[in-house]
Amino acid sequence: EDKVVQSPLSLVVHEGDTVTLNCSYEVTNFRSLLWYKQEKKAPTFLFMLTSSGIEKKSGRLSSILDKKELFSILNITATQTGDSAVYLCAVDGNKLVFGAGTILRVKS
Amino acid sequence: NAGVTQTPKFRILKIGQSMTLQCTQDMNHNYMYWYRQDPGMGLKLIYYSVGAGITDKGEVPNGYNVSRSTTEDFPLRLELAAPSQTSVYFCASSLGRRPMNTEAFFGQGTRLTVV
Repeated sequence: EDKVVQSPLSLVVHEGDTVTLNCSYEVTNFRSLLWYKQEKKAPTFLFMLTSSGIEKKSGRLSSILDKKELFSILNITATQTGDSAVYLCAVDGNKLVFGAGTILRVKS
Repeated sequence: NAGVTQTPKFRILKIGQSMTLQCTQDMNHNYMYWYRQDPGMGLKLIYYSVGAGITDKGEVPNGYNVSRSTTEDFPLRLELAAPSQTSVYFCASSLGRRPMNTEAFFGQGTRLTVV
């Protein structure tokens, strides 16, 4: 059965800190791994990763995939209070399966 | 640019009542999904569909039914509502191509309370 495990479950940091969120997976017929940000409404898309070792970057956020070890990380540098959200990892195989999410709270 | 549209946005049901959550997409996507999200939790897959006429169970299908008679619509039916079905429900869709799919696009969610 397809499975996605995220860690940590929650995290509290101060503005300016760098955070690393983890996602490990087991999936049949892997197509891609996706990261979403959710702030009290529908998830918004951040990244789609399909190949190992290629970093995707958008401003202060970056992500990378390791298909051999079956995990991905999402890095956020110089965190801001607006980064406070739930970060969801999902794997697209025969269906799209989500992890439980990491709750990030950034304190000013 | 409608994308994925869910109705209603909010609903209160009494125990034992039934209802249908509507979901429609105008992007000609093949794949559609229904998720539920309980407070502080991730998204749990209820049912999904890879094309018109094809549906399959996800992780938590009990108490729900779906149909996919057209590419655009993927309604979720709750029969005999129970308090355990109190949750926020999200519908999503993606193109469904191989080898690389698109990301999933989400509706705005339906907040359902069963009392």
